[in-house]
Amino acid sequence: DQQVKQNSPSLSVQEGRISILNCDYTNSMFDYFLWYKKYPAEGPTFLISISSIKDKNEDGRFTVFLNKSAKHLSLHIVPSQPGDSAVYFCAASARGGTSYGKLTFGQGTILTVHP
Amino acid sequence: GAGVSQSPRYKVAKRGQDVALRCDPISGHVSLFWYQQALGQGPEFLTYFQNEAQLDKSGLPSDRFFAERPEGSVSTLKIQRTQQEDSAVYLCASSLAPMNTGELFFGEGSRLTVL
Repeated sequence: DQQVKQNSPSLSVQEGRISILNCDYTNSMFDYFLWYKKYPAEGPTFLISISSIKDKNEDGRFTVFLNKSAKHLSLHIVPSQPGDSAVYFCAASARGGTSYGKLTFGQGTILTVHP
Repeated sequence: GAGVSQSPRYKVAKRGQDVALRCDPISGHVSLFWYQQALGQGPEFLTYFQNEAQLDKSGLPSDRFFAERPEGSVSTLKIQRTQQEDSAVYLCASSLAPMNTGELFFGEGSRLTVL
């Protein structure tokens, strides 16, 4: 039962254009969503997050949009740079209760930004 | 060091051998998580510690997997009688808060290959 899904295994974008990475979830208890970035042979690093009380959060070139009714979120990178090439993981958390904030991850999307 | 440190980075084991993977979290971090990442997949939750207490071990795939954090700092994940399906990257992550607010700091992982 894949509770967090990233249906696009890979995405290729030209430098300077917009990258849009998508993520869907099924568990309505999730109330906090994060994007992590991972380079080869390194651990995932936190990129940006959004609480379920918001529908948008922006940090520099990165913006995350949340559509709760559709159980969908997306990460926009504008403008894309070659250094953004990495695997991007969407993750979700149901804070509180006995979940201890553990994260449920999607399968990841490999982003390649061409110069 | 300033980040989460894991050792060994790479481990090759013959099927049936026992292995031990070590995690040194960021100093003062209360929460510690272990995740398993199979090739081409996102990290999957294994277990959670709050200080020395193992509060959630629901993700451990079998009783061959055992984790401990006896003094509330360093943690060890032990896998007994390794099987080929145990081959994966094992990620350790920590966070400051006892109830994780979402952002986890990950180590670089220990890549286990079982022959």
